[in-house]
Amino acid sequence: GNSVTQMEGPVTLSEEAFLTINCTYTATGYPSLFWYVQYPGEGLQLLLKATKADDKGSNKGFEATYRKETTSFHLEKGSVQVSDSAVYFCALKVDYGQNFVFGPGTRLSVLP
Amino acid sequence: DAGVTQSPTHLIKTRGQQVTLRCSPISGHKSVSWYQQVLGQGPQFIFQYYEKEERGRGNFPDRFSARQFPNYSSELNVNALLLGDSALYLCASSPSPGTSSYEQYFGPGTRLTVT
Repeated sequence: GNSVTQMEGPVTLSEEAFLTINCTYTATGYPSLFWYVQYPGEGLQLLLKATKADDKGSNKGFEATYRKETTSFHLEKGSVQVSDSAVYFCALKVDYGQNFVFGPGTRLSVLP
Repeated sequence: DAGVTQSPTHLIKTRGQQVTLRCSPISGHKSVSWYQQVLGQGPQFIFQYYEKEERGRGNFPDRFSARQFPNYSSELNVNALLLGDSALYLCASSPSPGTSSYEQYFGPGTRLTVT
């Protein structure tokens, strides 16, 4: 079956630190990969996506590269801000009509 | 442009009761999906509807049902509520079930508490 594994949180960083949140997946077929972010009390917002191997998704300083050989889609940011504090979800979607499979989420706290 | 809207925002129900949650998709989107997000976990897929027909169902009991209306809005119904149904219920819309590259746009969710 399809599944997503994320590094356990919470992750606590100081402002301007480098961020990596690991994500690996198992999927039948050729998935598209996504990172969603959930701020306190809100729904999920799409952060970035990649639809095929070696694609790099990027948005708001965040990046993730679709690595088929390692079945990974790690999220990175060079310099985090306090406003980046949120829960980050890695997700995949495989085929027509299939819905998203989400990882358990990783909570990030950035301290000033 | 208005995003996905859901109502109500919060809801408190008693065990055994029934609840109806509502969702309006982004204008022009014809597919609606429902997810359950238990505190501290990722969203779990419940249903997908497209053009008023059920196109997918997750691993949830028959107490959960849904429908989609001609204007593409949707309702999720849960009967005989259990304490374990307490969760954030998320609605997401997309233009169609489409290809794997279509992202879904999520609403703010309805927080259901069962006591």
